[in-house]
Amino acid sequence: QLQLQESGPGLLKPSETLSLTCTVSGGSISSNSYYWGWIRQPPGKGLEWIGSIYYSGNTYYNSSLKSRVTMSIDTSKNQFSLRLSSVTAADTAVYYCAHYFDNRGYLYFDQWGQGTLVTVSS
Amino acid sequence: DIQMTQSPSYLSASVGDRVTISCRASRSISTYLNWYQQKPGKAPNLLIYAASSLQSGVPSRFSGSGSGTDFTLTIASLQPEDFAAYYCQQSYSTPRNTFGQGTKLEIK
Repeated sequence: QLQLQESGPGLLKPSETLSLTCTVSGGSISSNSYYWGWIRQPPGKGLEWIGSIYYSGNTYYNSSLKSRVTMSIDTSKNQFSLRLSSVTAADTAVYYCAHYFDNRGYLYFDQWGQGTLVTVSS
Repeated sequence: DIQMTQSPSYLSASVGDRVTISCRASRSISTYLNWYQQKPGKAPNLLIYAASSLQSGVPSRFSGSGSGTDFTLTIASLQPEDFAAYYCQQSYSTPRNTFGQGTKLEIK
């Protein structure tokens, strides 16, 4: 059973860069057919997909965030990471990392981290 | 980008009721549609994938249907633990995907 855990600063100032890491246990991050994703949820609002990264390092980003997002993967540490630049109060949210499983061509987020709240405030 | 629209946004129901939540895609997504349940303070939990396949461990009172642009999540007989938020998600444009705005199911 995969387990995912987000880590990173919980408080940022406007214009700073958000950096989060997701540590995966219970399985290898470099297993093929695996994507890994970041999803966020502003307080009291719905889920927003941020981006996904394949074990090979190929990345796919939400078009609304693409200019500010960078995702990377470190197979030696079984971790993947998110960087979001030039944050504003609108980026305040709970950030989740998740495993995007490929079930014979049908993909879904089957394992999630517990989420970490990132607040942007001066 | 494919847009997903859920209805209603809020739903009030009683224990034992049968409820349905709808999700509409802005264009055809075949059966590449997933449903999640989210309780306050918790990460979402997968209920249904591929429009109608029940995830392992999910009670059989949950079911999904639909294809193309129109999908439905049905809870046959509401239990107290089912009061939560529900989200649909399209995976047709995988690895890019989109969530619906959510439906909050509240106790009447």
